[in-house]
Amino acid sequence: NAGVMQNPRHLVRRRGQEARLRCSPMKGHSHVYWYRQLPEEGLKFMVYLQKENIIDESGMPKERFSAEFPKEGPSILRIQQVVRGDSAAYFCASSPLGTDVRPLHFGNGTRLTVT
Amino acid sequence: GQQLNQSPQSMFIQEGEDVSMNCTSSSIFNTWLWYKQDPGEGPVLLIALYKAGELTSNGRLTAQFGITRKDSFLNISASIPSDVGIYFCAGQLNTNAGKSTFGDGTTLTVKP
Repeated sequence: NAGVMQNPRHLVRRRGQEARLRCSPMKGHSHVYWYRQLPEEGLKFMVYLQKENIIDESGMPKERFSAEFPKEGPSILRIQQVVRGDSAAYFCASSPLGTDVRPLHFGNGTRLTVT
Repeated sequence: GQQLNQSPQSMFIQEGEDVSMNCTSSSIFNTWLWYKQDPGEGPVLLIALYKAGELTSNGRLTAQFGITRKDSFLNISASIPSDVGIYFCAGQLNTNAGKSTFGDGTTLTVKP
């Protein structure tokens, strides 16, 4: 997990509020992946981004969820008008190349709790 | 979409025993990965397998990439208390390496 930094580690939001999750990739990495993990389940792919581009968002819910990876700064996963079902652990991973077949290394996640 | 079936769902073993868990898929993967996740942390890579039939070891851990490319197993020999955690398999297609498909995990409990 060394190198991929996620914050906050824990986030509590009331229903209807917005949640912003941040991910700083490993130094030199320009590709970021977001995964969601529900309790007692494996990680589910959400979105894959390159700097300033969304490459694959096939795992993202169609509404309320968005992601960006600007030229400068961390990648942001944004969840608008959160609902209780959004409560989960959200993990970020990074790689230097999009076609890199090396396995992903993950951050320690942000645990979102919606009350 | 692709799905991975990981079994068993949980295991309770005595310290010193060997452990075996496996993953099967309805479709082919080009890379198989095994991760361990401790509470409150992200998954940590244990072993990566890149070729069908490949057998790879990492200390007390051994994993194999099935010949059909639709399955993989992980063995842990002489288990110790720190082996406790959740073990995940994951498959990748080289065309989109970051888009891994994960199993639902095997929860391992080791009794001292």
